[in-house]
Amino acid sequence: NAGVTQTPKFRVLKTGQSMTLLCAQDMNHEYMYWYRQDPGMGLRLIHYSVGEGTTAKGEVPDGYNVSRLKKQNFLLGLESAAPSQTSVYFCASSYSFRGQPQHFGDGTRLSIL
Amino acid sequence: SQKIEQNSEALNIQEGKTATLTCNYTNYSPAYLQWYRQDPGRGPVFLLLIRENEKEKRKERLKVTFDTTLKQSLFHITASQPADSATYLCALDEGRDDKIIFGKGTRLHILP
Repeated sequence: NAGVTQTPKFRVLKTGQSMTLLCAQDMNHEYMYWYRQDPGMGLRLIHYSVGEGTTAKGEVPDGYNVSRLKKQNFLLGLESAAPSQTSVYFCASSYSFRGQPQHFGDGTRLSIL
Repeated sequence: SQKIEQNSEALNIQEGKTATLTCNYTNYSPAYLQWYRQDPGRGPVFLLLIRENEKEKRKERLKVTFDTTLKQSLFHITASQPADSATYLCALDEGRDDKIIFGKGTRLHILP
């Protein structure tokens, strides 16, 4: 049982390049989340999904897009990477929302030069 | 404005003692409060959840209290061990939307 798997683990991009981060969960969870974690800022929610085919904006959605075409996958896209998007990105999932713990992947470390 | 505050400075505790971490919040009315552990280079791992109508929750050496009047949760690790060294995050769920809000975390060092 792998839990939440994030791909890739590390990536270096040049400003203006695009890329997609993949999150996969094998727990049949309905809810999935993308966070970024920066020093001194804590975890901030980028986008989330409450089920297959749904997405919603979080606290810091600008510059990112997401898709949830399959229940087990949640993709985070950067269309034109900027140095301000250098961060560690975490994906999480939960069975439902009320009173449920979130299960996190081990993150993708992204540097934008 | 809404705030979640955890000890910004690292907490150093001698092995075997009880470590107590604080989570204070303002302008929130959480229905649930969660605590997570995060090790360097890893994602957060869920530890405990406490509901607004619960005063205390225990799991092995861990204890969480929740005081909605003081707007504070305390997280205790008894008989602390060096393996307990990590960053601990609190997270609030107001129960009104589909999001929880995380504090910035407190780094805990258990000294052998």
